[in-house]
Amino acid sequence: QKEVEQDPGPLSVPEGAIVSLNCTYSNSAFQYFMWYRQYSRKGPELLMYTYSSGNKEDGRFTAQVDKSSKYISLFIRDSQPSDSATYLCAMNYGGSQGNLIFGKGTKLSVKP
Amino acid sequence: EADIYQTPRYLVIGTGKKITLECSQTMGHDKMYWYQQDPGMELHLIHYSYGVNSTEKGDLSSESTVSRIRTEHFPLTLESARPSHTSQYLCASSRPSGSAETQYFGPGTRLLVL
Repeated sequence: QKEVEQDPGPLSVPEGAIVSLNCTYSNSAFQYFMWYRQYSRKGPELLMYTYSSGNKEDGRFTAQVDKSSKYISLFIRDSQPSDSATYLCAMNYGGSQGNLIFGKGTKLSVKP
Repeated sequence: EADIYQTPRYLVIGTGKKITLECSQTMGHDKMYWYQQDPGMELHLIHYSYGVNSTEKGDLSSESTVSRIRTEHFPLTLESARPSHTSQYLCASSRPSGSAETQYFGPGTRLLVL
């Protein structure tokens, strides 16, 4: 079983839709959870990170972590064509302990 | 936008050639990484460094080598390239963010070995 599972999609939605992206993981020791966005032909860029369980909101983006279910989500409200990218979840134990473990990424396309 | 640079962006070479992929960052980050990314697959860590003169192998076995002589520079070398090395190589550096490490990525080098 992979440590981090993420549906690769592709996911296609109309502009303005609410998008839900998800990852599951198997290692209960993970403490920090991140979402990266990767545009085509570019390196990933950090969108948000969350410590332990709970929600974090930043503009149109909300990250949720449910450690009891080992499940994390990224919600995008009022999606825009510029949100079309691959979204990667990543997680680690925190601090200098352990490197990031990435999901495969979900390719999102927002149609005008 | 993160100040981390990779050259070349694209490289097509023949089998058996020696190549060096360059990575530089101007943020003064101590920790740096090399990842390999194939289409539809996870980023796989192949090398990382905690600082000058420190290098470690990552989770994915790789025939490449790295060096860290200066804080800002973390080149990756393939002594004899093979078609199986065809991939995208991403360099990253990190700074602590609270107790998390926030990694910043370069634009990547797409390598094609014929």
